[in-house]
Amino acid sequence: DSGVTQTPKHLITATGQRVTLRCSPRSGDLSVYWYQQSLDQGLQFLIHYYNGEERAKGNILERFSAQQFPDLHSELNLSSLELGDSALYFCASSPRQALPEKLFFGSGTQLSVL
Amino acid sequence: DAKTTQPPSMDCAEGRAANLPCNHSTISGNEYVYWYRQIHSQGPQYIIHGLKNNETNEMASLIITEDRKSSTLILPHATLRDTAVYYCIVLSGTYKYIFGTGTRLKVLA
Repeated sequence: DSGVTQTPKHLITATGQRVTLRCSPRSGDLSVYWYQQSLDQGLQFLIHYYNGEERAKGNILERFSAQQFPDLHSELNLSSLELGDSALYFCASSPRQALPEKLFFGSGTQLSVL
Repeated sequence: DAKTTQPPSMDCAEGRAANLPCNHSTISGNEYVYWYRQIHSQGPQYIIHGLKNNETNEMASLIITEDRKSSTLILPHATLRDTAVYYCIVLSGTYKYIFGTGTRLKVLA
C-alpha cells in the first residue's frame, strides 16, 4: 500500500458526461501528479501540482482540468467525455519539490466511457 | 528533460540476473536517472535512482556509465513476480516526470 488513495476505483459513464476523479496524497506529501494510461499505452503525464499551485503541464486536453485543495487532496475533472478518454488514471504524490524525488502511486481509477 | 531509449521487451530465466539497459545520451549534469516498474495494471512502483555513482538497494542495483549516457538496472535474482514493465526516466528541474514506453520484462520459469 503506497498510502495514496484514489477514488473511485471504477467509473462507468457515457459520452458527453463530466466526471471527477479524486486523489488523496500520502500524509505530508505536497506534490501531486496525474497520469493517463490508455490500453496498452505508456503513462502519459497530465499535470503536476505542488502545495496548491500548478507547476508543470503535460499533454492535458482542454476538456480536462485539475486542482489541488488546501488540504492537499487533488481532483481531476474530465468533461465532454469521449470514447477515447477511457483509460486508467493514476495519481502520484511525493513529499517535496526538490530532487531527488520519489513518486508514490495510487492504484488508479479505471474510467470507461460508453 | 533528456529522452531515454529502452528495448521494448526482454526475457530472463528465473533465478538469473536481469540486466535492463537504458540509453540517455543527452543527459545533463544535474539530471537524475530513475527506475520504476509497473506490474500488470497496478500503479508504478519506485525502484531506485542515481546521479553519478552506482547505487544498490534491497530491490536492485543501478549502474551508470562514467559518461552518464547510459545505465543498467540489475535485478540480481529475478523471480516470476519481477515480470513487469520497467521504466527508465531522466528528470531535471522541470518535474514533468515523463515515462516512456519502457521494457516489458518477462521472467521465465
